Amino acid sequence: GEDVEQSLFLSVREGDSSVINCTYTDSSSTYLYWYKQEPGAGLQLLTYIFSNMDMKQDQRLTVLLNKKDKHLSLRIADTQTGDSAIYFCAETGRRALTFGSGTRLQVQP
Amino acid sequence: DAEITQSPRHKITETGRQVTLACHQTWNHNNMFWYRQDLGHGLRLIHYSYGVQDTNKGEVSDGYSVSRSNTEDLPLTLESAASSQTSVYFCASSGSGEGLEQYFGPGTRLTVT
Repeated sequence: GEDVEQSLFLSVREGDSSVINCTYTDSSSTYLYWYKQEPGAGLQLLTYIFSNMDMKQDQRLTVLLNKKDKHLSLRIADTQTGDSAIYFCAETGRRALTFGSGTRLQVQP
Repeated sequence: DAEITQSPRHKITETGRQVTLACHQTWNHNNMFWYRQDLGHGLRLIHYSYGVQDTNKGEVSDGYSVSRSNTEDLPLTLESAASSQTSVYFCASSGSGEGLEQYFGPGTRLTVT
C-alpha cells in the first residue's frame, strides 16, 4: 500500500476552517511537510514540522503531529477561495520525499 | 533571482521515440529530483542525484535515465516512449542536508500517442 495516505477531496465554505489529514508509515521520518499545488503549477512548500514537535503554527496554518498514530494534519483557519488547490503531505523517505496522493480542497463562496 | 526551469512545458511524441526533458536550476543546489504526477498517485520519484556524476534510481525508474554532468542540469531521457509514460513530469532541487525545502519546476506535460 501507499506509504503516505490522504483523503482525496475536501469541500468547505469560505470563512470556515479546513482540516486536511494524512497518515504516514515511516517512523524514522525527521521532517514532515505540507505542499500546495495550484492548477498548472509545480508544488510549493507551505510549512513543515520537525518530528520532535507536536504542533506548529504559522499565521492561518496549524500543523498537528501525532507520532504515536503517525498522523499529521493541516488546519487552515478562515479559508479563502485562494486556498483552493491540491495539498500534499510528504515525509522524509529513505531517498527523497515520499508524497501522498494529494487532497483537493474546494472552497465555496 | 534563483529559479528552476523545465523545458519543454508541453510535448507530444509517438510511441518508441526517444524524448529528453530538460531541467535547469540556478540555486546551486547539489540535490536534484525527477517526479511524475498521475491522478490518484501523487508524485512518484523517478531518479535523483546528490551531485555531479551521481545518479540514483527512484520508485518508478524503468524506461527512464538521467545524467548529471554539471550542478545546474539534470535531463530526463525516455529511451523508448510508451503510452504509460504519458504524465506530468516535475523536476525539483534542494540544498544538501536533511529537511531542506525542495523547489519545484513548473512541470512538463508529456503525451505519448
